[in-house]
Amino acid sequence: DAGVIQSPRHEVTEMGQEVTLRCKPISGHNSLFWYRQTMMRGLELLIYFNNNVPIDDSGMPEDRFSAKMPNASFSTLKIQPSEPRDSAVYFCASSTDGIYGYTFGSGTRLTVV
Amino acid sequence: SQQGEEDPQALSIQEGENATMNCSYKTSINNLQWYRQNSGRGLVHLILIRSNEREKHSGRLRVTLDTSKKSSSLLITASRAADTASYFCATDAGSARQLTFGSGTQLTVLP
Repeated sequence: DAGVIQSPRHEVTEMGQEVTLRCKPISGHNSLFWYRQTMMRGLELLIYFNNNVPIDDSGMPEDRFSAKMPNASFSTLKIQPSEPRDSAVYFCASSTDGIYGYTFGSGTRLTVV
Repeated sequence: SQQGEEDPQALSIQEGENATMNCSYKTSINNLQWYRQNSGRGLVHLILIRSNEREKHSGRLRVTLDTSKKSSSLLITASRAADTASYFCATDAGSARQLTFGSGTQLTVLP
């Protein structure tokens, strides 16, 4: 298995632009998580899907953030419009029912200028 | 919010020495997990210890859990330069199957 695949690895965009981050979880994993990592706030859970259904999106900072999981093999995290304070590394992780260890992707480093 | 807090924030040791990192948390947990993150990479799952377990081993890793003190420790024996990374504890608490991560310990192993 290639692991959790995220794209792009790096994204530089101008303030106000729409940004879409993509994630392909490990086949057979039914839980998917989006995290954001910054120096100031560490790792923050943004949203959690189980069997493609959003279970907890209380970590999504604002309405500018949205996430979808149209099927078991794909998820997106969208920021519209983006702001400089959204600059961070965004990680996607998947697991089996969230019970065992998570498998993380390599992350997307987002820079909003 | 961060459930777990690691101590120390940074640790520097010589190759061959043992490294011990501690984690404290606030609420009752189902399990506690440790992850490693190399610079610029994603997190890698190291070991999971359930709330009814007190100690667990995996290779050079030894994890202890004291639920009465709400604390855990990760011991890396005979450290190597390749162990240089950030180490995070994460707790799975309550009915929500999601992890809350601590702030991490930056370990540097000098050759």
